Amino acid sequence: DQQVKQNSPSLSVQEGRISILNCDYTNSMFDYFLWYKKYPAEGPTFLISISSIKDKNEDGRFTVFLNKSAKHLSLHIVPSQPGDSAVYFCAASARGNTPLVFGKGTRLSVIA
Amino acid sequence: DTGVSQDPRHKITKRGQNVTFRCDPISEHNRLYWYRQTLGQGPEFLTYFQNEAQLEKSRLLSDRFSAERPKGSFSTLEIQRTEQGDSAMYLCASSLGTLFLNTDTQYFGPGTRLTVL
Repeated sequence: DQQVKQNSPSLSVQEGRISILNCDYTNSMFDYFLWYKKYPAEGPTFLISISSIKDKNEDGRFTVFLNKSAKHLSLHIVPSQPGDSAVYFCAASARGNTPLVFGKGTRLSVIA
Repeated sequence: DTGVSQDPRHKITKRGQNVTFRCDPISEHNRLYWYRQTLGQGPEFLTYFQNEAQLEKSRLLSDRFSAERPKGSFSTLEIQRTEQGDSAMYLCASSLGTLFLNTDTQYFGPGTRLTVL
């Protein structure tokens, strides 16, 4: 049973436009959520996180929104740049200090 | 570079051989995690340490796998009698966990790519 789901395997966006990556979760015990970016042959790089006590967190071009009632979070990247092309993973933990549970990732392609 | 480091970056071995990977976490981090990632999947948790204590193991961690963190600093992951199904990227992550902080951000190393022939 997959507890963290990223239902879009891939997404293409034009440079300068907004990229929206979605993630759904099923475990109501999850209270800390993270987004990681991964290039081929490298480890995941931490991007941004959000605690369940918030519904939005912003860091530069990256904003994460959390809708606890829908068990849904999204990552917005604006404006999108070609260097943002990578696989993005959504991850969650319970009580904020247990091993992360990852989704399968969404491959973002930003087209110049 | 003060990030998480892993060695080797690539390992090719024959089925039945033993392999050992090393992870050096960010120096002040007390928690260290091992994950495995196969093609098309997200990283899957294997085991984690708080200081030198191994606190949790996944059911993915068969008895052929063993991990240690002898002095609460670096960690090793050994796979005995490797099988072709062990081929994957093995990722190490570290974090600074405290009882009072419920937002434990894990930082990953570059991974070790294992190929079992």
